[in-house]
Amino acid sequence: EADIYQTPRYLVIGTGKKITLECSQTMGHDKMYWYQQDPGMELHLIHYSYGVNSTEKGDLSSESTVSRIRTEHFPLTLESARPSHTSQYLCASSPGGTLIKNIQYFGAGTRLSVL
Amino acid sequence: GQQVMQIPQYQHVQEGEDFTTYCNSSTTLSNIQWYKQRPGGHPVFLIQLVKSGEVKKQKRLTFQFGEAKKNSSLHITATQTTDVGTYFCAGRTPRGSNYKLTFGKGTLLTVNP
Repeated sequence: EADIYQTPRYLVIGTGKKITLECSQTMGHDKMYWYQQDPGMELHLIHYSYGVNSTEKGDLSSESTVSRIRTEHFPLTLESARPSHTSQYLCASSPGGTLIKNIQYFGAGTRLSVL
Repeated sequence: GQQVMQIPQYQHVQEGEDFTTYCNSSTTLSNIQWYKQRPGGHPVFLIQLVKSGEVKKQKRLTFQFGEAKKNSSLHITATQTTDVGTYFCAGRTPRGSNYKLTFGKGTLLTVNP
């Protein structure tokens, strides 16, 4: 089992609040990712990072922002939550390097509900 | 951009029946990976295929990568209730980033005991 942790697991919050979803991994992986997934639906890449101080927007436009100040930590922030942000957010990491090593390890996810 | 199509979207089987999900890419892939997500869980890596025509087996699961490296399949023999979940394929293109995966929409498998 991979050592990648997300907190909180569940979050119910009111509209307009600022939230930060935490993601940490202890594997020393350079590459980290955030996906958004509605129940039973496909995975949408919203942010990724190739290493410290490197962040890129993913394929799905998102109002969230990310930072990568430390290798092990990749938090996602919503400045003003809205009901349309209700979803599951999955964090993942991969070791990078050769193609063979680019397996993604996922955290347990944060289920966000914005009322 | 690269697209990865996956069919069927849903499959319901009786326990003991076989199951197959198919993955097709609009472009040639460097590799294909398969993940399984149990209901309420997170995706977990199953296997990676890299070579043209490659076939790999994990107990009752058989994975294939097409000769043109544009399609792949996952076949489960004699399904069990523990096989329930969504199966995702994911691939990379040779010219794309080594680190970004394009996921298919997944196939949800339900098994009637």
